[in-house]
Amino acid sequence: AQKITQTQPGMFVQEKEAVTLDCTYDTSDQSYGLFWYKQPSSGEMIFLIYQGSYDEQNATEGRYSLNFQKARKSANLVISASQLGDSAMYFCAMREGEDYSSASKIIFGSGTRLSIRP
Amino acid sequence: GAVVSQHPSWVICKSGTSVKIECRSLDFQATTMFWYRQFPKQSLMLMATSNEGSKATYEQGVEKDKFLINHASLTLSTLTVTSAHPEDSSFYICSAGGRTYNEQFFGPGTRLTVL
Repeated sequence: AQKITQTQPGMFVQEKEAVTLDCTYDTSDQSYGLFWYKQPSSGEMIFLIYQGSYDEQNATEGRYSLNFQKARKSANLVISASQLGDSAMYFCAMREGEDYSSASKIIFGSGTRLSIRP
Repeated sequence: GAVVSQHPSWVICKSGTSVKIECRSLDFQATTMFWYRQFPKQSLMLMATSNEGSKATYEQGVEKDKFLINHASLTLSTLTVTSAHPEDSSFYICSAGGRTYNEQFFGPGTRLTVL
């Protein structure tokens, strides 16, 4: 069974500093995808970045990058130049399945609450 | 990106009543939708996979008779919480996959409070 582990329940970071949010996963499938979502206090889930298991390069989206280390089964999110608006819950998630498609379910980690200090 | 809506955004009901939550994909067809629940300060827990035209697939530990899921069309899935009790109070979120495996769109969520 798949499993997502986020070991940092909460983090405090000074504004403009970079921050790394940890995520490790466990799966027996060869095809899988890893997502990071941001959830502000409003509750909406905001997609940040995606990494496929066969992608050779680390994914990047603006200030977000994913440090994908397949052998270690880790997919850490790096936020560069943090901003006050980055304060939120961050969830790592994984999609897998024999029928690897948008119909495959996504499982979430426990989340990390990130707080940015001015 | 694609939009998924939920209705209502919040609901308060009395214990013992049933509540229906709608999840709609507004500009795309979704043969599969997912229902999650989230307790305060916790993660999203997958409840079930909703399949258009067939029965939903429930995760272990989720009572299918209590959480009724109907996916009657390619754009609408409904979750009905039957005989709701205070412990069912939670944030319910639906999601739908896009055209490719790297897409997953979430609704804004429904906050259910059972008195």
